Amino acid sequence: DAGVTQSPTHLIKTRGQHVTLRCSPISGHKSVSWYQQVLGQGPQFIFQYYEKEERGRGNFPDRFSARQFPNYSSELNVNALLLGDSALYLCASSDGTANQPQHFGDGTRLSIL
Amino acid sequence: DQQVKQNSPSLSVQEGRISILNCDYTNSMFDYFLWYKKYPAEGPTFLISISSIKDKNEDGRFTVFLNKSAKHLSLHIVPSQPGDSAVYFCAVSAGGTSYGKLTFGQGTILTVHP
Repeated sequence: DAGVTQSPTHLIKTRGQHVTLRCSPISGHKSVSWYQQVLGQGPQFIFQYYEKEERGRGNFPDRFSARQFPNYSSELNVNALLLGDSALYLCASSDGTANQPQHFGDGTRLSIL
Repeated sequence: DQQVKQNSPSLSVQEGRISILNCDYTNSMFDYFLWYKKYPAEGPTFLISISSIKDKNEDGRFTVFLNKSAKHLSLHIVPSQPGDSAVYFCAVSAGGTSYGKLTFGQGTILTVHP
């Protein structure tokens, strides 16, 4: 079975632009979470969506938004990009119940010039 | 304020010996604990987890121990293999509607020498 897939793999943008990152969860998983990982740190939680509704939001500015579609895939949007948004963006899926592990995709490497 | 800390940035172990990775947390509301392994250019891979009702969970060469009173989590790898060389992250979550939010430590780089 396919794992969590993310696209694109790499992306280069300039300051002020916007970006859309995409994620397809493991088949049967209804929950998708997004994380940002900068070099030398652990992933930081951005959003969780379950059954197309936002269930949690981390400490990120309103420039970050996300949505989940009826097929449970998800998009992360970032507007007005800043140099500090350069990071690895990770998507994780789970079946949406408590005490079940999240499974991660390989991420999108976003570089801001 | 870091809620999850991995105080050892790196660990070097000889092949065949035990690797012990440690993690401390501050919030007693956390009730589900996980370990992930990460290779360069890949996403984190789930290794093993434990809920707060247990103090030990084993899966093959990997054992996770939970000491709730000390708010301490450890991962034991026995025997260690060169292929185990990677960055290891502990992660925690709280119950209720917060279970979808994982809080990660900073990671420990494990190097297993042949």
